[in-house]
Amino acid sequence: KNQVEQSPQSLIILEGKNCTLQCNYTVSPFSNLRWYKQDTGRGPVSLTIMTFSENTKSNGRYTATLDADTKQSSLHITASQLSDSASYICVVSSSGGYNKLIFGAGTRLAVHP
Amino acid sequence: DAGITQSPRHKVTETGTPVTLRCHQTENHRYMYWYRQDPGHGLRLIHYSYGVKDTDKGEVSDGYSVSRSKTEDFLLTLESATSSQTSVYFCAIGDGNQPQHFGDGTRLSIL
Repeated sequence: KNQVEQSPQSLIILEGKNCTLQCNYTVSPFSNLRWYKQDTGRGPVSLTIMTFSENTKSNGRYTATLDADTKQSSLHITASQLSDSASYICVVSSSGGYNKLIFGAGTRLAVHP
Repeated sequence: DAGITQSPRHKVTETGTPVTLRCHQTENHRYMYWYRQDPGHGLRLIHYSYGVKDTDKGEVSDGYSVSRSKTEDFLLTLESATSSQTSVYFCAIGDGNQPQHFGDGTRLSIL
């Protein structure tokens, strides 16, 4: 069964600290993996997208990694800001269909001053 | 913002009533999608459209219907709402085989 599991479910950190969010997937065949940021009351916004051949992708203070062999991805946030408080969603796309997106349940991050 | 508007943003209604949610885009994207988001679950695809009058079912389509009579509008209808359909509904648009931009959601409560 195609699944995307994220950990932790929730996380609290202090402003200025770094953190890493995890995503494990069992989706096959694999096409690409995206990380989204979802602010409260808003829709998800794409942060990064990685294909099979890419193992690192950065977007400002956000760096995503992908290990296609172990089927794991991580999102590292550097020097966190209060505005980073949001849910972060890992989404894996399976090849061949526009309806074959498998969404993780997300990690809720709270950055405290 | 990506030019995608959902309406209404919030709605409370009673079991058994019909409900229609609207998604409007100004980007001329070919594909439009409806998802629902529930606590503890990832977004799940309800229906999608790949052109005017061209629609197909997603993984949780039971109890829902859609229509797309114009490129810019994609309607989601709950013919007879049930409490299990209480959720946050997101519309998304894209040109390829994946949604690129999401709307800000409609929070629907069915009492």
